[in-house]
Amino acid sequence: EVQLVESGGNLVQPGRSLRLSCTTSGFNFGASALSWVRQAPGKGLEWVAFITSELYGGTREYAASVKGRFTISRDDAKSIAYLQMNSVKTEDTALYYCAKYRCVDRYCYEDYWGQGTLVTVSS
Amino acid sequence: EKVMTQSPATLCVSPGERVILSCRASQSVSSNLAWYQQKPGQAPRLLIYDASTRATGIPDRFTASGSGTDFTLTISSLQSEDFAVYYCQQYDERPETFGQGTKVEVK
Repeated sequence: EVQLVESGGNLVQPGRSLRLSCTTSGFNFGASALSWVRQAPGKGLEWVAFITSELYGGTREYAASVKGRFTISRDDAKSIAYLQMNSVKTEDTALYYCAKYRCVDRYCYEDYWGQGTLVTVSS
Repeated sequence: EKVMTQSPATLCVSPGERVILSCRASQSVSSNLAWYQQKPGQAPRLLIYDASTRATGIPDRFTASGSGTDFTLTISSLQSEDFAVYYCQQYDERPETFGQGTKVEVK
């Protein structure tokens, strides 16, 4: 059974940092691309970041709203993905989901999602 | 980026009714479109990928069609467990983008 469990969400002050973790099991983590998607309270889904498998160079991409502040990474030995959030803003307040991609050629969509971890940015 | 627009924003229906949800892309996304279902307090669940292929375990009352810029998701006979928010997503080009969602609620 595919499982993704996010952790690390918390109340954080604007300008500070936070690291989210996504602990996974039930699939070939090393061969999988992964993403972080967020959902502000009462709002829709917003893609945040993406990382390919090391086989494809561990390529990373970011939404314009977080580029330069957030960093996605992976530890294939532990089957864990991370999202390092620096210089957080109030508009980063959201439920953050980790998701596994299914990819065919360069086309990738999220086929399994975790339950999310809540990040609240407030002074 | 490619903007996805869903309509209507809210749909009030009774169990057993047929439901049609629409999704339009600002530019062609070919068939690189997915549909997700999200119930309150739950993560999104993949329903459809490649515009018309049901994901594993999805009942056949869910069908989808379209290509290019116009897409539909049809629920043939709405069950009580289908009341939820439905999102379309294009993955033709990065950044992947989602529609704003259609809420299907009880009439």
